Amino acid sequence: NAGVTQTPKFQVLKTGQSMTLQCAQDMNHEYMSWYRQDPGMGLRLIHYSVGAGITDQGEVPNGYNVSRSTTEDFPLRLLSAAPSQTSVYFCASSYDQDRGQIFFGSGTQLSVL
Amino acid sequence: AQKVTQAQTEISVVEKEDVTLDCVYETRDTTYYLFWYKQPPSGELVFLIRRNSFDEQNEISGRYSWNFQKSTSSFNFTITASQVVDSAVYFCALKGYNTDKLIFGTGTRLQVFP
Repeated sequence: NAGVTQTPKFQVLKTGQSMTLQCAQDMNHEYMSWYRQDPGMGLRLIHYSVGAGITDQGEVPNGYNVSRSTTEDFPLRLLSAAPSQTSVYFCASSYDQDRGQIFFGSGTQLSVL
Repeated sequence: AQKVTQAQTEISVVEKEDVTLDCVYETRDTTYYLFWYKQPPSGELVFLIRRNSFDEQNEISGRYSWNFQKSTSSFNFTITASQVVDSAVYFCALKGYNTDKLIFGTGTRLQVFP
């Protein structure tokens, strides 16, 4: 049982490049989400999913796309990277909206030059 | 609107001191959940506690204790006899009923010196 697995741990991009941050969980959790962490701002929700085939926008969705084709995976796509997207990204999952713990991955540190 | 305020940006203590991290929240929901997470220098987020709004019992887990007071919308976290390994950023977070969205505070950086 690996929990929530994020890859890569570190990534450097040039402005305009695209890439996908991977997130997978093996706990059969329905709920998955992506947050970004910026200095002095805590974590902010980018996108979330309440189950396979269902996604919705969070607080800061612009510049990011998500899809949820399986229960296990919830990739985050940067379409055209910008320096403002330099941040630490965390994926999270939980079994149920109102029960139990919300598990976080170990984070992806992204720098956009 | 939902909001979490951690007014203490940084706290420094000497080992064995007790320290309290403050968390004040705002929500219109009658059912909600409060969390504390620890983020050590390695960067991962470590779950510490989850509290339901209808359970105002304080909780103690080893050197950690939490004081939940709905009357003042606060959910404070106390570390007793702090240790160097407690050095980390601590986040308080709020989740409403029937949503998966966590609202985080800006975090409190705790430094424990030997």
